[in-house]
Amino acid sequence: EVQLVESGGAVVQPGGSLTLSCAASGFTFDDYTMHWVRQVPGKGLEWVSLISWDGVTSYYAGSLRGRFTVSRDNSNSSLFLQMNSLRTEDTALYYCVKGKVDMTTIGDCFEHWGQGTLVTVTS
Amino acid sequence: DIVMTQSPDSLAVSLGERATINCKSSQNILYRSDNKNYLSWFQHKPGQAPKLLIFWASTREAGVPDRFSGSESGTNFTLSISSLQAEDAALYYCQQYHSTPYTFGQGTKVEIK
Repeated sequence: EVQLVESGGAVVQPGGSLTLSCAASGFTFDDYTMHWVRQVPGKGLEWVSLISWDGVTSYYAGSLRGRFTVSRDNSNSSLFLQMNSLRTEDTALYYCVKGKVDMTTIGDCFEHWGQGTLVTVTS
Repeated sequence: DIVMTQSPDSLAVSLGERATINCKSSQNILYRSDNKNYLSWFQHKPGQAPKLLIFWASTREAGVPDRFSGSESGTNFTLSISSLQAEDAALYYCQQYHSTPYTFGQGTKVEIK
């Protein structure tokens, strides 16, 4: 059974930094592109970033490029999101998401989602 | 960016009746190489992880009841629930995965009348 367990969410001040983690199990982690998707409380879903199965390629939502960095540790089946210069508008539930088709970077749908970890940016 | 627009924002349907949700993409999300529309539908219930229902616009994910179906016409897409069950009350989102940034519709809330 695929499991994605996010952690690292916290309350942080504007301008602060935070790193989210996602522990994956139940599948061959290094075969699949992984994503971060967020949901502002009471709002819709927003794709944040993806990283290819081999960690070579990454993409970001335009507004986040330069502040957020996605990475992965395939030896430990873990996904990370380093978030810097946090703003109040980054307050959201952050989901770790597994792609569906192995060895596919772009054009792959979102097959499994974690439960999310909450980031609150407030002074 | 590709804008995904869903309609309606909410709908109330009686048990056993059909629910229909529409989604329109601002650009073509069809790849000519495989003639597939890169569109998914998700179901999202409070406190739960979103669940993939449909991908390639009309392919049902394994384990999803066959009362859920997706259809496509150009840049217009539809999710239908043929006979609404109580457990189908949820938010539904369409999403394009044709090109980054991947984008979602704003969501449609389905309630039981």
